[in-house]
Amino acid sequence: QKEVEQDPGPLSVPEGAIVSLNCTYSNSAFQYFMWYRQYSRKGPELLMYTYSSGNKEDGRFTAQVDKSSKYISLFIRDSQPSDSATYLCAGTQGGSEKLVFGKGTKLTVNP
Amino acid sequence: SQTIHQWPATLVQPVGSPLSLECTVEGTSNPNLYWYRQAAGRGLQLLFYSVGIGQISSEVPQNLSASRPQDRQFILSSKKLLLSDSGFYLCAWSRGFDQPQHFGDGTRLSIL
Repeated sequence: QKEVEQDPGPLSVPEGAIVSLNCTYSNSAFQYFMWYRQYSRKGPELLMYTYSSGNKEDGRFTAQVDKSSKYISLFIRDSQPSDSATYLCAGTQGGSEKLVFGKGTKLTVNP
Repeated sequence: SQTIHQWPATLVQPVGSPLSLECTVEGTSNPNLYWYRQAAGRGLQLLFYSVGIGQISSEVPQNLSASRPQDRQFILSSKKLLLSDSGFYLCAWSRGFDQPQHFGDGTRLSIL
């Protein structure tokens, strides 16, 4: 079983839609979770960084972690064409050098 | 603010040639530094990480090596490139292991 699983998509939505991106993970020791956005031919850009379970909001983005079900989500409100990118989730346990990434979900927001 | 630079952005090399990719970080001191390879459909693979000058840990045995000659400089090298070394190479930094990693814009390496 892969440590972090993510539906690769592609996911296509109209502008203004609410987008839900999800990952599951298998390592119960994971405590820190991240979401990255990656535009084509660019490096991943950190969007959200959360610790343990709960929600974190930043503008149009909300990250949600449910450690009991090993499920992490990213919600994008009022999606824009500029949100079109690949979204990567990642998790790590405390003190570990290894950030484990999902393979990414490709999102297209159509104007 | 902190910035990370990687160069070159694109590189085409023949099989058997040497490689040197450079990464530098500005605006922070004593960062953790990382080299990743991203292959299509395979996600991000950690190759090397470093917690200080001269300290290199390898995650995957392979044809590549890394060095950290200065606090904010990280170099990925190979003596003889293989076809399988093609890919998108990313450098990243963090303040510590529990801190988020911040990536450069990568080098797209093609081996002919």
